[in-house]
Amino acid sequence: KQEVTQIPAALSVPEGENLVLNCSFTDSAIYNLQWFRQDPGKGLTSLLLIQSSQREQTSGRLNASLDKSSGRSTLYIAASQPGDSATYLCAVLGSSNTGKLIFGQGTTLQVKP
Amino acid sequence: EAQVTQNPRYLITVTGKKLTVTCSQNMNHEYMSWYRQDPGLGLRQIYYSMNVEVTDKGDVPEGYKVSRKEKRNFPLILESPSPNQTSLYFCASSLYSGVYNEQFFGPGTRLTVL
Repeated sequence: KQEVTQIPAALSVPEGENLVLNCSFTDSAIYNLQWFRQDPGKGLTSLLLIQSSQREQTSGRLNASLDKSSGRSTLYIAASQPGDSATYLCAVLGSSNTGKLIFGQGTTLQVKP
Repeated sequence: EAQVTQNPRYLITVTGKKLTVTCSQNMNHEYMSWYRQDPGLGLRQIYYSMNVEVTDKGDVPEGYKVSRKEKRNFPLILESPSPNQTSLYFCASSLYSGVYNEQFFGPGTRLTVL
């Protein structure tokens, strides 16, 4: 059974710092991995999608990497800003038949001015 | 604007009173699904739909029904809500269910069943 883990559960950094969020999964047979951002009272915003054949994806200050063999993904945020404060969730697509995403518990990030 | 919308956003109801949470997407997506989010349990899939008139159970379907009569709409029906269905509900959609497709989520519906 696929399990997704995100460590740490919470992270506090000063503004301007570069940071890395971690995501690990137990079964390397994934179709893709997606990073989301969740703000209180709002939905999940898709940040990046990495196909299983890809190693990384970039969008602005965000860079996500994928290492299927080791069951790990990282989300790198460059030059963090207070507006980056949110909960970040990673999710793997384990079955194209159901389209079910298996989510980690998330990392809550606080960027202090 | 391409989006997934849900209504209502907040709902407080009582045990046994039937309710429907609507979900609509304007992206012509074939695939839609429902998740619930609970503290300590994360997000779990309730039901999904590959296309019009094609629906199937996810991991936690008990107490829920869905229908997919039109491509854009995928309502979640609670025939007799119970307190254990108090949760934050999300609707999601993607072009297809396959590997290349990014999934988009709605803003969420916070349901409280008293």
